[in-house]
Amino acid sequence: GAVVSQHPSWVICKSGTSVKIECRSLDFQATTMFWYRQFPKQSLMLMATSNEGSKATYEQGVEKDKFLINHASLTLSTLTVTSAHPEDSSFYICSAPKTSGRWNEQFFGPGTRLTVL
Amino acid sequence: SQKIEQNSEALNIQEGKTATLTCNYTNYSPAYLQWYRQDPGRGPVFLLLIRENEKEKRKERLKVTFDTTLKQSLFHITASQPADSATYLCALGSSSASKIIFGSGTRLSIRP
Repeated sequence: GAVVSQHPSWVICKSGTSVKIECRSLDFQATTMFWYRQFPKQSLMLMATSNEGSKATYEQGVEKDKFLINHASLTLSTLTVTSAHPEDSSFYICSAPKTSGRWNEQFFGPGTRLTVL
Repeated sequence: SQKIEQNSEALNIQEGKTATLTCNYTNYSPAYLQWYRQDPGRGPVFLLLIRENEKEKRKERLKVTFDTTLKQSLFHITASQPADSATYLCALGSSSASKIIFGSGTRLSIRP
């Protein structure tokens, strides 16, 4: 099956710093990628839709200036958590459909655990 | 607003028995429903998809039913094994939108 990777798998940072998380589709091109956040024992909440070559679409309540998304190529989307605070500590997961428009065939990355001290 | 509920936060059953997980939804007319498995500290792994015009889908020891009248899906694991212990998530999607909406998951534990 298709493979989606994330880097880093975990990161610990100080409050006020920025953290960049990468999401890569390894064996297919993804014009669209999705970023989710998951708090302990809770569901995956969609944060934003990342579109290659255009601006990301953010879900209601997600601050676009705090969670910067860049989809610079067909295989890479990055999520930057700016001025991170302890409440941003969470599990961040990306996904991508292998075929554009086939939204029901999404492949998920392994996730990135962010801890803000 | 759209709401997805999975019947229980946790389910414990004996090895060899059939595990049945429930997913109910309101204020939504999905084109398809999916079930995922998620292990601790990992991303979800796709298991099965069932479309709105399908009643039942099977894959090895897994069976999914979809009742659009009741707005409910049942997920069965037969001959359960300790290795089946994980959190199982249901997710809904529409044919027109790219978004998938997830339930909060059921943590399944299979005891030997």
